[in-house]
Amino acid sequence: GENVEQHPSTLSVQEGDSAVIKCTYSDSASNYFPWYKQELGKGPQLIIDIRSNVGEKKDQRIAVTLNKTAKHFSLHITETQPEDSAVYFCAASWDNFNKFYFGSGTKLNVKP
Amino acid sequence: DSGVTQTPKHLITATGQRVTLRCSPRSGDLSVYWYQQSLDQGLQFLIQYYNGEERAKGNILERFSAQQFPDLHSELNLSSLELGDSALYFCASSVDGRADTQYFGPGTRLTVL
Repeated sequence: GENVEQHPSTLSVQEGDSAVIKCTYSDSASNYFPWYKQELGKGPQLIIDIRSNVGEKKDQRIAVTLNKTAKHFSLHITETQPEDSAVYFCAASWDNFNKFYFGSGTKLNVKP
Repeated sequence: DSGVTQTPKHLITATGQRVTLRCSPRSGDLSVYWYQQSLDQGLQFLIQYYNGEERAKGNILERFSAQQFPDLHSELNLSSLELGDSALYFCASSVDGRADTQYFGPGTRLTVL
């Protein structure tokens, strides 16, 4: 089955700096890569996603890049704010999107 | 608030016991997913139902079972509980059965003592 690895496990940045979280996947059939943000006491919330026919996608301060050849994708957050502090999960999916395989999560701490 | 509700929020029980977790999907959503989030294994997909029928299965143990009822709410039954079953259990729902449109509930925290 699919195996998704995520790094780093924790990331601490100063407010206003950029943060980058990286994931690698093993199954070349995976074709959908979402990113979720999980705030304390809440369920994961989709923040951005990318499909395998696209190399990069942006939404305001967040962006995701995908390198299909190398089988890795990354989340970029620019101009970080304290409210960006949360756990971020990447995931990979195939099989008509019915099953997601999640990375182990990155705890992002944005220091004011 | 995602619109997905889960009860109870917290559950404390003993090894060997059986518990039932409940999920109500967002209004109009036909599909329900169950996930387990533990410290050592991260977030894992357990099972999916669509309009009452099982659609996909992940790493769900034989001691666990689920069903989706005609009113579309779902229950996850965990039996012969072990210490390692302590985790957050999330339910998610989607309107069309595609996980890329799923919304997560707030979770049920299960502690097995």
